[in-house]
Amino acid sequence: GAGVSQSPRYKVAKRGQDVALRCDPISGHVSLFWYQQALGQGPEFLTYFQNEAQLDKSGLPSDRFFAERPEGSVSTLKIQRTQQEDSAVYLCASSPERIGLAGEYNEQFFGPGTRLTVL
Amino acid sequence: GDSVTQMEGPVTLSEEAFLTINCTYTATGYPSLFWYVQYPGEGLQLLLKATKADDKGSNKGFEATYRKETTSFHLEKGSVQVSDSAVYFCASFRAGKSTFGDGTTLTVKP
Repeated sequence: GAGVSQSPRYKVAKRGQDVALRCDPISGHVSLFWYQQALGQGPEFLTYFQNEAQLDKSGLPSDRFFAERPEGSVSTLKIQRTQQEDSAVYLCASSPERIGLAGEYNEQFFGPGTRLTVL
Repeated sequence: GDSVTQMEGPVTLSEEAFLTINCTYTATGYPSLFWYVQYPGEGLQLLLKATKADDKGSNKGFEATYRKETTSFHLEKGSVQVSDSAVYFCASFRAGKSTFGDGTTLTVKP
């Protein structure tokens, strides 16, 4: 079966441009996560969706970052007025179940990422 | 906030050598702990996990034990292969969020 897919795989943007990054989770997966991975570092949490509801966006670095998942499947991460410090790999992950009240773990399946370079 | 610190790399070993990659965590409460692996050109894959103290996660010959007293989750393998060459990430999960270490690059030479 298909895994998590992301598009585009590579994106080059000029400083100040807006970009949109797409994530197609595994069909039927309830939970969806976005992470930002700078070069040489581990992924950092950005935001989490349960179906169409964005339950946690505490990791978004600024109000230039916006994520949506309007129908509870495909998600888009949008970055407005890109800056050089936004250059990173953006990872999407999905999970078949919702995160429980106790925060117990459900396995996350990661996509290949989108490498964003802002010039 | 929560944090994960793992051994800096890169690590280079000969085939059949013993591997240890150290990982320690700080967290309020008791997180679940994981090791992920990223092979060249591929996405992150879950390697193993442990959800409570003294649990041992194991997969593909790799093992790690959740040590609450030392807040550690060190990754070990008794005999590495060339195909184990990859980047390894230690991570914790608590309150709906994952926290990752910075990764350790392992190269295994024949």
